Amino acid sequence: QVTLKESGPGMLQPSKTLSLTCSFSGFSLSTSGMVVSWIRQPSGKSLEWLAAIDWDGDKYYNPSLKSRLTVSKDTSNTQVFLKITSVDIADTATYYCAQGPFDYWGQGVMVTVSS
Amino acid sequence: DVVLTQTPSILSATIGQSVSISCRSSQSLLDSDGNTYLYWFLQRPGQSPQRLIYLVSNLGSGVPNRFSGSGSGTDFTLKISGVEAEDLGVYYCMQATHAPLTFGSGTKLEIK
Repeated sequence: QVTLKESGPGMLQPSKTLSLTCSFSGFSLSTSGMVVSWIRQPSGKSLEWLAAIDWDGDKYYNPSLKSRLTVSKDTSNTQVFLKITSVDIADTATYYCAQGPFDYWGQGVMVTVSS
Repeated sequence: DVVLTQTPSILSATIGQSVSISCRSSQSLLDSDGNTYLYWFLQRPGQSPQRLIYLVSNLGSGVPNRFSGSGSGTDFTLKISGVEAEDLGVYYCMQATHAPLTFGSGTKLEIK
């Protein structure tokens, strides 16, 4: 059974760095072809793909945010991380991780950027 | 970036009615490998998105067969043949042919 769960700080101040963790089970990111993506959704709005990392450690970023994003994975291939630097109010959203090709999603973690 | 335009933005249906949602892309979604990476998702209120359709017309695991997808190139359609109460929510199309992946703006299905 594949499960994913996101975790994060809940709330942080503008200009800080947001650190998110996606913990998963039921698959290994070391399996050829496997990919984990990060997607976010501001309240009441559509979805925005942010970044992905694959089984080979290759990383993919949305160019609109690339300078602020870093995606990585742990050596046990059971967690994926996302860092977003210099956050502002526009980064307030629910953040999801999903196993590619998006057949499994986490429950999402809500992040609020506020002073 | 590829823009996906979904219509209508709001859809009101009675139980048992058949409905269609359109997703039009600003570029062809046919990849050089011969696949068309167009997906459909349903996000029920308060839930994460659920994949319904992948590669235009393939039904996801456990998805009822009243859902079907069709289309090619730049024009795609999701059809629900006989809406049920559990189908309410927001439907999104997504393309993964061109980087970055992009989503449509969503179609909200309301049950009359």
